[in-house]
Amino acid sequence: GENVEQHPSTLSVQEGDSAVIKCTYSDSASNYFPWYKQELGKRPQLIIDIRSNVGEKKDQRIAVTLNKTAKHFSLHITETQPEDSAVYFCAAREMSGGSNYKLTFGKGTLLTVNP
Amino acid sequence: KAGVTQTPRYLIKTRGQQVTLSCSPISGHRSVSWYQQTPGQGLQFLFEYFSETQRNKGNFPGRFSGRQFSNSRSEMNVSTLELGDSALYLCASSAGANVLTFGAGSRLTVL
Repeated sequence: GENVEQHPSTLSVQEGDSAVIKCTYSDSASNYFPWYKQELGKRPQLIIDIRSNVGEKKDQRIAVTLNKTAKHFSLHITETQPEDSAVYFCAAREMSGGSNYKLTFGKGTLLTVNP
Repeated sequence: KAGVTQTPRYLIKTRGQQVTLSCSPISGHRSVSWYQQTPGQGLQFLFEYFSETQRNKGNFPGRFSGRQFSNSRSEMNVSTLELGDSALYLCASSAGANVLTFGAGSRLTVL
């Protein structure tokens, strides 16, 4: 099955700096890669996603890049703010073995933005 | 539009007991997925239902089971509870194969 590795597990930045979180996946047939943000005590919420026919997607201060050849994708947050502090999860949707309704998640990155 | 609703939000059980958790998806969403969230392990897939049929199952023992009703509401059951089953159980609904909308979760503590 699909395996998603996420790095780093913790990331601390100063307000205004950029933050980058990286994920790798194992199933070359995976074609959908969402990112979820989970604030303390709250539910995960989708912040951005990308499909395999696109190399980059941007939404205000957040961008995601995808390298299908290397099987990795990254989340970039620019001009970080304290409210960006949360756990971020990457995920990949499997396409093999009829498991295309399942998202496999990375283990998360705790981002702390220091004022 | 109401979001994904999970009940109960918190519960405490003892080893050997069983528990049933409920999830009501967003109106019109026919797919319901369940995930187990524990510290350090992220979100691990339990199973996914669509139109009352289980389409996928994760690598959990048979003590974990689920079902979906004709109104798309779903339940999951864990029998013979173990200490390691303590976790936040998240339900997510989807209108298609991609975007998941999560509920607030049911936090289970096994003593």
